[in-house]
Amino acid sequence: DAKTTQPNSMESNEEEPVHLPCNHSTISGTDYIHWYRQLPSQGPEYVIHGLTSNVNNRMASLAIAEDRKSSTLILHRATLRDAAVYYCILTSGNNRKLIWGLGTSLAVNP
Amino acid sequence: NAGVMQNPRHLVRRRGQEARLRCSPMKGHSHVYWYRQLPEEGLKFMVYLQKENIIDESGMPKERFSAEFPKEGPSILRIQQVVRGDSAAYFCASSPFSTGNTEAFFGQGTRLTVV
Repeated sequence: DAKTTQPNSMESNEEEPVHLPCNHSTISGTDYIHWYRQLPSQGPEYVIHGLTSNVNNRMASLAIAEDRKSSTLILHRATLRDAAVYYCILTSGNNRKLIWGLGTSLAVNP
Repeated sequence: NAGVMQNPRHLVRRRGQEARLRCSPMKGHSHVYWYRQLPEEGLKFMVYLQKENIIDESGMPKERFSAEFPKEGPSILRIQQVVRGDSAAYFCASSPFSTGNTEAFFGQGTRLTVV
């Protein structure tokens, strides 16, 4: 299964943009790149996903490198509610189970 | 449309007892995934089910663990003869298709404590 590498932690200030990096050098051609986040004591929450092209939704943007070996989750204006652990995940196999790493713990300063 | 419902939210079992974790997927979702999360770790895939069928159980321990998703009713993750190492948060996710090109919706989890 393809693995992802993320920084253990990052810090941001409220209302500033945040760029969360993820490396996935062994990604296969059919793997989708998903991002989820998990607030303390809660279940994971979907953020965004993509395959090759950059993606935007109301929560965030996903920038995917041309060789697909890395991607960046962009939160355009961080809020205190965005403090969470962010997981960069690749799908795997025909049944598309999600393969999770340890994620990046994002702290947002007021 | 209610989200994914898991119950109980917290479950305490003595060593050797059985634990039954329930997951009601979102309406219209026929794909259910179970994941386990140990403290300070990421989630680990356990099993993937579609209605009445186990599609992939490669992440589930061979002994004491079983899962089902009957035609009617919730998906059940069953742990027999629990041990302290089973203490973890167990999350269920559902989706209308397999989670390749769609989002998965997660429940709030069941936190199992084995004493």
